[in-house]
Amino acid sequence: AQSVTQLGSHVSVSEGALVLLRCNYSSSVPPYLFWYVQYPNQGLQLLLKYTTGATLVKGINGFEAEFKKSETSFHLTKPSAHMSDAAEYFCAVFYGGATNKLIFGTGTLLAVQP
Amino acid sequence: DTGVSQDPRHKITKRGQNVTFRCDPISEHNRLYWYRQTLGQGPEFLTYFQNEAQLEKSRLLSDRFSAERPKGSFSTLEIQRTEQGDSAMYLCASSPGTDRHYNSPLHFGNGTRLTVT
Repeated sequence: AQSVTQLGSHVSVSEGALVLLRCNYSSSVPPYLFWYVQYPNQGLQLLLKYTTGATLVKGINGFEAEFKKSETSFHLTKPSAHMSDAAEYFCAVFYGGATNKLIFGTGTLLAVQP
Repeated sequence: DTGVSQDPRHKITKRGQNVTFRCDPISEHNRLYWYRQTLGQGPEFLTYFQNEAQLEKSRLLSDRFSAERPKGSFSTLEIQRTEQGDSAMYLCASSPGTDRHYNSPLHFGNGTRLTVT
């Protein structure tokens, strides 16, 4: 079955430290990949997406992600965490064909310590 | 672009009652989606519309659930005879819906949080 796995439901970093949120997907064909962020009591906001082309994708708020086909991964990074980055982050994959929908991972809650 | 609007933001209802949620997508977006999100989980796909046509329904959408998009603009999601297990955040999203579906990121509303007591 097609799936999205986010390792680590909770990640805590210090302000100014590197943020690394992991996402792996299962697919026999190249999927289309997204990261969304969700602040408390709000909907999801698109951070970045990968469809085709350059495998390193830059998004909003200083985040970026790299598509690695050999590892079936699409990890999200930010060089220096800010307090305002505290939120829940969801990796999502669009599978075409019979699935034809966006499938989300279970999310990673990022805490940023002062 | 006023974003995707959902109403109400919160709904508390007693088990067995019917509830209806409304979603107003971004104007000119012809695809509209409903997702459900429970605590600690990612959003789960429920159904989606291309204009007024409901093209796909998840197995999660039992017979008690019905969604409509009568004129291809706003959509409603109705849950009949609510159960405690229906308690969740119901998210609506829209996208431009070009032929290349994957190139159309979903724009989400702030959701309707349903609590069934």
